[in-house]
Amino acid sequence: EPEVTQTPSHQVTQMGQEVILRCVPISNHLYFYWYRQILGQKVEFLVSFYNNEISEKSEIFDDQFSVERPDGSNFTLKIRSTKLEDSAMYFCASSDFGNSPLHFGNGTRLTVT
Amino acid sequence: KQEVTQIPAALSVPEGENLVLNCSFTDSAIYNLQWFRQDPGKGLTSLLLIQSSQREQTSGRLNASLDKSSGRSTLYIAASQPGDSATYLCAVGAQKLVFGQGTRLTINP
Repeated sequence: EPEVTQTPSHQVTQMGQEVILRCVPISNHLYFYWYRQILGQKVEFLVSFYNNEISEKSEIFDDQFSVERPDGSNFTLKIRSTKLEDSAMYFCASSDFGNSPLHFGNGTRLTVT
Repeated sequence: KQEVTQIPAALSVPEGENLVLNCSFTDSAIYNLQWFRQDPGKGLTSLLLIQSSQREQTSGRLNASLDKSSGRSTLYIAASQPGDSATYLCAVGAQKLVFGQGTRLTINP
């Protein structure tokens, strides 16, 4: 069964550094998402992306965050200057239509020290 | 603002029992409700999606129901197995999902 793949599985970075989290969505999907889960808290929506642009973003997704689909297969989340509170599990997801089930990757655990 | 709550936070039952997990939401104007399973350190596996016009969905031993008017959904697991042990999350919305905090289910052999 097709799946969403995320790399790396775990990333450690120092505060203030830039990080790029990578995702390969399911190949025929058109909608792409990033969610995050801070340890012990609920899964939270960050951003949705369709037709090469952001379709919706949450208040968490400020100017420090950006997304890109650079080559038609990868989908990336960049955090420009990481903060301690950015430490979380980041999940990428994709769906074929806007109203169909979201399929999630296994996540990237980001630790900011 | 949509809020999603899941009760109980944790549940431990012996193998073979039928069980029900509960999910409630505050805004009944939802598009979809989706149930996920999360294993420790892993991603979210989609189990069932109920569209707003539907009342229930079934997949194998799982049955999910939706009552929009009361703002509730239940996930029924029949004949539970140790492999069902995981955290179960419900989420409402279409693209922007709002998640509950999950029910951590343990099935004891």
